[in-house]
Amino acid sequence: ETGVTQTPRHLVMGMTNKKSLKCEQHLGHNAMYWYKQSAKKPLELMFVYSLEERVENNSVPSRFSPECPNSSHLFLHLHTLQPEDSALYLCASSQDVRQAGNTIYFGEGSWLTVV
Amino acid sequence: GENVEQHPSTLSVQEGDSAVIKCTYSDSASNYFPWYKQELGKRPQLIIDIRSNVGEKKDQRIAVTLNKTAKHFSLHITETQPEDSAVYFCAATNQFSSGSARQLTFGSGTQLTVLP
Repeated sequence: ETGVTQTPRHLVMGMTNKKSLKCEQHLGHNAMYWYKQSAKKPLELMFVYSLEERVENNSVPSRFSPECPNSSHLFLHLHTLQPEDSALYLCASSQDVRQAGNTIYFGEGSWLTVV
Repeated sequence: GENVEQHPSTLSVQEGDSAVIKCTYSDSASNYFPWYKQELGKRPQLIIDIRSNVGEKKDQRIAVTLNKTAKHFSLHITETQPEDSAVYFCAATNQFSSGSARQLTFGSGTQLTVLP
């Protein structure tokens, strides 16, 4: 199943590095999301984009900067992260962010370790 | 905002037995409740969902029940098999405060282990 693909799958970065996570969806969806998954915590919604426009920012620190150049691609730019930012970052997409009942399809995730 | 609580956090059952996972939600306006299964090292995948106008839905060995009055919903897996071992997440959808979009709020997950 390759509906939502994420790269890289694993990333180790220092606290002063700048890196980016990439997501691409091949499902023809209009909405894309970034979620953070930490151990023993619920999935946390970070950002929502609908047709390339940011719809919501769930109080995410500015060291995380999303970019959505088109409805099929989503990036998460990382800068001066902290060790507590180490987590699995999941990209997802759905047909329409404004309607309930839209199935959210997740990518395989990018495992981020900040050292 | 929405708050979704999920119990238990871990659950072990013998193969062939049933497993039940329960979730409660706080926002009475929530109207869509999906369940996701995440196997080790893999992505969360939707296994079943229910809308607020339905009380129960079944798909083979999996069923979900919803009690809107009590604001809780449950996942039932019958005749469990080792391949059912995974983390299961419940979720509820509600509207962002801005009204611009709906979001899924997830429970904290249940690690289900089916013992052979």
